[in-house]
Amino acid sequence: AQTVTQSQPEMSVQEAETVTLSCTYDTSESDYYLFWYKQPPSRQMILVIRQEAYKQQNATENRFSVNFQKAAKSFSLKISDSQLGDAAMYFCATSTGNQFYFGTGTSLTVIP
Amino acid sequence: EPEVTQTPSHQVTQMGQEVILRCVPISNHLYFYWYRQILGQKVEFLVSFYNNEISEKSEIFDDQFSVERPDGSNFTLKIRSTKLEDSAMYFCASSVGGLATYEQYFGPGTRLTVT
Repeated sequence: AQTVTQSQPEMSVQEAETVTLSCTYDTSESDYYLFWYKQPPSRQMILVIRQEAYKQQNATENRFSVNFQKAAKSFSLKISDSQLGDAAMYFCATSTGNQFYFGTGTSLTVIP
Repeated sequence: EPEVTQTPSHQVTQMGQEVILRCVPISNHLYFYWYRQILGQKVEFLVSFYNNEISEKSEIFDDQFSVERPDGSNFTLKIRSTKLEDSAMYFCASSVGGLATYEQYFGPGTRLTVT
């Protein structure tokens, strides 16, 4: 089984600043994917960014980027130029095949 | 933009009762999933479904659980005899293809409360 650990239950960031959310995982698989999902209050989860484990290059998606350290099994999310709309619960996840494994989430507050 | 929908948003039931949670996946999606999240805990995978069959299931998905696609649009999760520990948020998701290369689109969830 795979496990995902998010050690920061809550984080806050000043608007326009940068914040990094941490995630570590454990897997014995060689082929897997990593994800960050965002869940705004009372809304469904949406995919923020995805990383294929076989790719060395870190994925980026506009203001969102990851720092993928495969040997350390670390997959952090950096949000640049934070906006009020970034306030949400962020879940790190890993998958092999059709099974997804989620972390417990980090609640991000954006301070105006 | 197409969305996954779930009904009801909140279901309260008594222990031992059967519940059916309903989901309408995005119309051209072929893979369907159920997850649950007990309050304060992580989102847990329950089951994936493709071509009218379960393709993968977790240890949580025991004989008390079943899934069905009764028609061309709905995807249901049935819990036969609910227990207090079944109280959780249940999320449905769908994707165009299987494997993690395809994005899963999540519904807003159904909060199940077992009393």
